[in-house]
Amino acid sequence: GAVVSQHPSWVICKSGTSVKIECRSLDFQATTMFWYRQFPKQSLMLMATSNEGSKATYEQGVEKDKFLINHASLTLSTLTVTSAHPEDSSFYICSTPGLVIYEQFFGPGTRLTVL
Amino acid sequence: DQQVKQNSPSLSVQEGRISILNCDYTNSMFDYFLWYKKYPAEGPTFLISISSIKDKNEDGRFTVFLNKSAKHLSLHIVPSQPGDSAVYFCAAVGDQTGANNLFFGTGTRLTVIP
Repeated sequence: GAVVSQHPSWVICKSGTSVKIECRSLDFQATTMFWYRQFPKQSLMLMATSNEGSKATYEQGVEKDKFLINHASLTLSTLTVTSAHPEDSSFYICSTPGLVIYEQFFGPGTRLTVL
Repeated sequence: DQQVKQNSPSLSVQEGRISILNCDYTNSMFDYFLWYKKYPAEGPTFLISISSIKDKNEDGRFTVFLNKSAKHLSLHIVPSQPGDSAVYFCAAVGDQTGANNLFFGTGTRLTVIP
């Protein structure tokens, strides 16, 4: 399957700061990438779909001004958590479409802790 | 609103025996179901899937069963091996629920005891 990387793998920041998470597709070009979030003891939830060269589409209840997504190239999408607060502490994971219908390749995830 | 549920957070099985992981869903609009496997510090990797028009799909040691009337699916691993120890997520998707929106369960941690 495709190789998807994320950076950083974990980050701790102070409340009010912004954090950028990178998602890279290492071995193929991805016009679409997906961003998920997982709170403790809950399931992965789709936050937004990142589209290369155009605006991201956000799921209901996700603030687009707080979670800025940029998909500037076919191999890189970034998620910026702006003015992070402790309630934003979560596991953020990205994915790309797979080779068969509905399949997705996931990155290893980024653990964000906001103090 | 948890549309996909995995009610067993953990499961322990002896090596060589069968592992059965269960998953229930509530949305009848789902038409495709997937199982993902996740090792620590890695992202989930696709394991096996099944279309809603089928009731069974087999791939080597892994078999997924779907009972649409009960809105229930299960993953059978036989024989179980220590390397199968991981967290298993079931996921559901459908054209009418958003073709790219995988709805995940909370996962079941499988431990295969040598």
